[in-house]
Amino acid sequence: DAGVIQSPRHEVTEMGQEVTLRCKPISGHDYLFWYRQTMMRGLELLIYFNNNVPIDDSGMPEDRFSAKMPNASFSTLKIQPSEPRDSAVYFCASSLRGEKLFFGSGTQLSVL
Amino acid sequence: AQSVTQPDIHITVSEGASLELRCNYSYGATPYLFWYVQSPGQGLQLLLKYFSGDTLVQGIKGFEAEFKRSQSSFNLRKPSVHWSDAAEYFCAAQTGGGNKLTFGTGTQLKVEL
Repeated sequence: DAGVIQSPRHEVTEMGQEVTLRCKPISGHDYLFWYRQTMMRGLELLIYFNNNVPIDDSGMPEDRFSAKMPNASFSTLKIQPSEPRDSAVYFCASSLRGEKLFFGSGTQLSVL
Repeated sequence: AQSVTQPDIHITVSEGASLELRCNYSYGATPYLFWYVQSPGQGLQLLLKYFSGDTLVQGIKGFEAEFKRSQSSFNLRKPSVHWSDAAEYFCAAQTGGGNKLTFGTGTQLKVEL
């Protein structure tokens, strides 16, 4: 298996633009997590899904952030409109039964 | 509130020396406990986990961790550090499968040759 695949690896955009981050979990995994990592706040859980259904989105910072999982093999995290304070590394992770997490390599987002 | 604390932000050790990274948790009941490692530009990789049973847990890359209920600790150890172990290490806790995983703030390990 190729592991958790995230795209793009790097994204540079201007403030106000829409940003879409993508994730393909490991086949057969039933949980998918979106994390954000910054120097100031460390690793924060934004949202997670179980069997494509959002379970806990309490970590989503505000309405500008939205996440979807239309099927078991794909998820998106969208920021609209983006702001400079959204600059961070965004990680997607998947797991079987919500235990051992496998992380993607992350998307480095820079909002200018 | 549930939390995971890693008191050491940075640690430097010489290659070949022993290593211990500290982790304390604050939960109502004993959570599941994990150690992850993150190399620069990479995602996190699981080193080991503790769910129950034997309090000394063996992981990959020669790491082990000991769960001590009385101290609410889950410290990571390695008897002899290699230069390739330089990375950031995260302790994490979870109240059960499928529940929110809470990470500590991480410990950056530097290895001197």
